[in-house]
Amino acid sequence: GAVVSQHPSWVICKSGTSVKIECRSLDFQATTMFWYRQFPKQSLMLMATSNEGSKATYEQGVEKDKFLINHASLTLSTLTVTSAHPEDSSFYICSASFSRYNEQFFGPGTRLTVL
Amino acid sequence: DAKTTQPTSMDCAEGRAANLPCNHSTISGNEYVYWYRQIHSQGPQYIIHGLKNNETNEMASLIITEDRKSSTLILPHATLRDTAVYYCIVRDSNTGNQFYFGTGTSLTVIP
Repeated sequence: GAVVSQHPSWVICKSGTSVKIECRSLDFQATTMFWYRQFPKQSLMLMATSNEGSKATYEQGVEKDKFLINHASLTLSTLTVTSAHPEDSSFYICSASFSRYNEQFFGPGTRLTVL
Repeated sequence: DAKTTQPTSMDCAEGRAANLPCNHSTISGNEYVYWYRQIHSQGPQYIIHGLKNNETNEMASLIITEDRKSSTLILPHATLRDTAVYYCIVRDSNTGNQFYFGTGTSLTVIP
């Protein structure tokens, strides 16, 4: 149980375009979803916390107008990278939790390459 | 959340126990200790967590010192598939369940 999926697993796009990444909890309802970014040889960096039906809370230094997060249901959150640039190329990982008292379950990640 | 300190890298012989230490000297009473691992280019995998008692599951054991300032993750019989980066994280569920990852320990299991 507690499976989280992400789609797509990888994406290549041109500079200036927008890319949407989906995160789904497949077998549980996630009250909270999280989005992380990971650059090569670095640790995961928390970008934002998303609760179903409410606005996401962004970490300091993360541009909310560039990284749009929508958490429309208890099983789906989306991250849209708007006007992507090569420096946005990274590994984006989501996680989900069904309670603030429980562990997070992570998706497999989405590798974004912006040309 | 409390900062954690882990060794950058460790080696372990296949079949032997891997003991991964973590220091969290500023941990508060409400903060849990979580362990995750990340195999290259995959999402992190949950291993185990605890508050103050030692914990064991099918993957590992977690030993937390009495003063809670440090802990050790034990993989009892390491296999080549256990090669990964292991992250020790402390989290206060009363203030939110965000995880802030440190640099972790890169464990290499040697044949």
